[in-house]
Amino acid sequence: AQTVTQSQPEMSVQEAETVTLSCTYDTSENNYYLFWYKQPPSRQMILVIRQEAYKQQNATENRFSVNFQKAAKSFSLKISDSQLGDTAMYFCAFMKQGWETSGSRLTFGEGTQLTVNP
Amino acid sequence: SAVISQKPSRDICQRGTSLTIQCQVDSQVTMMFWYRQQPGQSLTLIATANQGSEATYESGFVIDKFPISRPNLTFSTLTVSNMSPEDSSIYLCSVNPRGGNEQFFGPGTRLTVL
Repeated sequence: AQTVTQSQPEMSVQEAETVTLSCTYDTSENNYYLFWYKQPPSRQMILVIRQEAYKQQNATENRFSVNFQKAAKSFSLKISDSQLGDTAMYFCAFMKQGWETSGSRLTFGEGTQLTVNP
Repeated sequence: SAVISQKPSRDICQRGTSLTIQCQVDSQVTMMFWYRQQPGQSLTLIATANQGSEATYESGFVIDKFPISRPNLTFSTLTVSNMSPEDSSIYLCSVNPRGGNEQFFGPGTRLTVL
């Protein structure tokens, strides 16, 4: 079974600054995907960024980038030039690679509430 | 991606009653997933629903409490049966279009049980 841990229940950052959210995971799988989802107060789950475990290059999406350390089983999210609209709960998630039913399920961390202050 | 809608968006129900939540997708998908998010907590997978077969339930969730239907490739329902206040949660459905490695979520149904 996989576990995902987010050790920062809450974080805050000033607008326009950079913040990094931490995530560690535990798995015996070699092929998998990692994700960061954002959940604003509207409760809609929004996919922010994803990383394939077989790729050494860290994923980037505009202001969002990850630091993926496979050996350390670490997957942190860096948000640059923070904006007020980035205020949300952020969830790290793990998905095993595969086509069978269990291959597509997501295992989530506990979440980090990020507040961007003006 | 996929456009997913859920009905109802929220409801307040009495203890002992049942509520059926609908999930509609704008494209055909093989697997649909139902998650529960209890207040202030993360998401937990309830079950996976494949069209044409019985749903697969995660540990701690049973069919009698959370019956699921999957009549076609664009629609699924989750029923929360014999509700108690502990069932007050947000219930979300999700899909992975084309069997890919990204899951997209519906807007959720906020359930309050009195």
